[in-house]
Amino acid sequence: GDSVTQMEGPVTLSEEAFLTINCTYTATGYPSLFWYVQYPGEGLQLLLKATKADDKGSNKGFEATYRKETTSFHLEKGSVQVSDSAVYFCALKAAGNKLTFGGGTRVLVKP
Amino acid sequence: EPEVTQTPSHQVTQMGQEVILRCVPISNHLYFYWYRQILGQKVEFLVSFYNNEISEKSEIFDDQFSVERPDGSNFTLKIRSTKLEDSAMYFCASSNAGTDRTDTQYFGPGTRLTVL
Repeated sequence: GDSVTQMEGPVTLSEEAFLTINCTYTATGYPSLFWYVQYPGEGLQLLLKATKADDKGSNKGFEATYRKETTSFHLEKGSVQVSDSAVYFCALKAAGNKLTFGGGTRVLVKP
Repeated sequence: EPEVTQTPSHQVTQMGQEVILRCVPISNHLYFYWYRQILGQKVEFLVSFYNNEISEKSEIFDDQFSVERPDGSNFTLKIRSTKLEDSAMYFCASSNAGTDRTDTQYFGPGTRLTVL
């Protein structure tokens, strides 16, 4: 079945540091890939998505590139802020209705 | 910007009691979903709903669970007889295009269910 694996946290960074969160997947078929973010006390918000190989999703300074050859969709941001502290979820959608999520990575950015 | 809303934000219940979790999806969306996240575990798909019927469900979604769209705006998840292991955060989501693999699901803030 479909699965998503992402690096375990927590990831602790200083402000303006570079952030990478690794995400790899296995899927039957050709999935779309998503990153969702959950800020403290809030629900899941779509951060970005990519629907085909070599597509780059981007939003709020975050980027992720759909790499079919390595089945990966790593999330990056060049200079994090304290407000980026959150839990980040990688997810895929292949056939059918459901999203399949990774375990989430907690990121803590310190001033 | 339209958003999915959920009530209550936190529900505490006794084991064996029935609970109903409520969601108001985005108004022009046609597909509705429930997911849950047990503390420290992954977000898991429970069920999807389209055109007044279940379109897909996971093995978690057994006879204790049911969903309903009682009117034009609400979407509910009912757990008939709660167990301790039903304690989790329950997320409602909605979308436009269902089985299209590019479809984006929009999530509500969640209801934290605690079963004592």
